[in-house]
Amino acid sequence: SAVISQKPSRDICQRGTSLTIQCQVDSQVTMMFWYRQQPGQSLTLIATANQGSEATYESGFVIDKFPISRPNLTFSTLTVSNMSPEDSSIYLCSVVPGEWTEAFFGQGTRLTVV
Amino acid sequence: GQNIDQPTEMTATEGAIVQINCTYQTSGFNGLFWYQQHAGEAPTFLSYNVLDGLEEKGRFSSFLSRSKGYSYLLLKELQMKDSASYLCAVKDSNYQLIWGAGTKLIIKP
Repeated sequence: SAVISQKPSRDICQRGTSLTIQCQVDSQVTMMFWYRQQPGQSLTLIATANQGSEATYESGFVIDKFPISRPNLTFSTLTVSNMSPEDSSIYLCSVVPGEWTEAFFGQGTRLTVV
Repeated sequence: GQNIDQPTEMTATEGAIVQINCTYQTSGFNGLFWYQQHAGEAPTFLSYNVLDGLEEKGRFSSFLSRSKGYSYLLLKELQMKDSASYLCAVKDSNYQLIWGAGTKLIIKP
């Protein structure tokens, strides 16, 4: 299993500013996943973060908008840059500790851009 | 492409039984997961099926047929707290999780 501490749990930000979300895992994991979930929608994968290499971004998401750091095997950050109201969403980090295990999630960050 | 289909919304009565279906077409298969998500919260794991058949966990059961690309989540003795979204997810050949859009379950008294 894995326990993930995600911060902040919520924030209200001005458009044009940036917010960095942090996730700390209680065990070492190879990959960490960052998701966005807009109201009433399912999970959309933003990127996969590997330690020691650049994150892999899904179609529609770019590094300039969502830079990710992965300095070690237990920690990652996602920055939402130059925010607009369309970025208002819940952001979730997740890990899958093994091939045959389920995904574990952080508590989520509810972001509102005004 | 990879695709997971589940109904958008379902309504059921407290105390009754409800079945939420999930069909999938993915590049390979390494297991199917069901998650529950209450509004404003992170998803929580319910069940995992990798072999055909029924897995039972208390009031919740999950069924898998790999040949049909089909699963269902069965919820018995429904309680008001079961009102949530239920997400179906499949691990593909690269062990990547492919997520369904989720089924919003509304429980009425």
